[in-house]
Amino acid sequence: DAGVTQSPTHLIKTRGQHVTLRCSPISGHKSVSWYQQVLGQGPQFIFQYYEKEERGRGNFPDRFSARQFPNYSSELNVNALLLGDSALYLCASSLGGPGNQPQHFGDGTRLSIL
Amino acid sequence: RKEVEQDPGPFNVPEGATVAFNCTYSNSASQSFFWYRQDCRKEPKLLMSVYSSGNEDGRFTAQLNRASQYISLLIRDSKLSDSATYLCVVGGGGFKTIFGAGTRLFVKA
Repeated sequence: DAGVTQSPTHLIKTRGQHVTLRCSPISGHKSVSWYQQVLGQGPQFIFQYYEKEERGRGNFPDRFSARQFPNYSSELNVNALLLGDSALYLCASSLGGPGNQPQHFGDGTRLSIL
Repeated sequence: RKEVEQDPGPFNVPEGATVAFNCTYSNSASQSFFWYRQDCRKEPKLLMSVYSSGNEDGRFTAQLNRASQYISLLIRDSKLSDSATYLCVVGGGGFKTIFGAGTRLFVKA
């Protein structure tokens, strides 16, 4: 069975642009969470979606948005990119709400802002 | 105070050593606890869940102390392949999950 898949693997953007990152969860998983990880830190929670509804939001500006589709895949959108948005963006899926269940991560999208 | 705190290390230990990591959390209402392992430039991978009664998986033992609000991970008979960053993860109930910054472990031959 396929694990969590993310695309693209790497991305280079310039300040002010926008970006869309994509994630497909493990088959049967209904919850998708997004995290941002910068070097030397643990993953920081951005969003969590369950059954196509936003269920949790971390301390990120409104430039960050996401959605979950009927097939449970998800997109993370970031507008007006800043240099500080350079990071590894991780998607994780779980059967139900991730607060109580282990999550399985994709390989991540490495975003570089020039 | 951070919601989840870990000693960043690094811990440098020889092969065969026993090493322990602690992680403290601030939300007394937290309901679920996990340890993840992350290799350099890779995604985090679930190592083990942490149960109230404590649990063991081979060389790894995890314990939870709700009164003092910390969890621990013990690695016995360390292997070179155990070298990684170990992330403490706390589920706050509902849909929020908080990761610690991680503890780096280097196991030397």
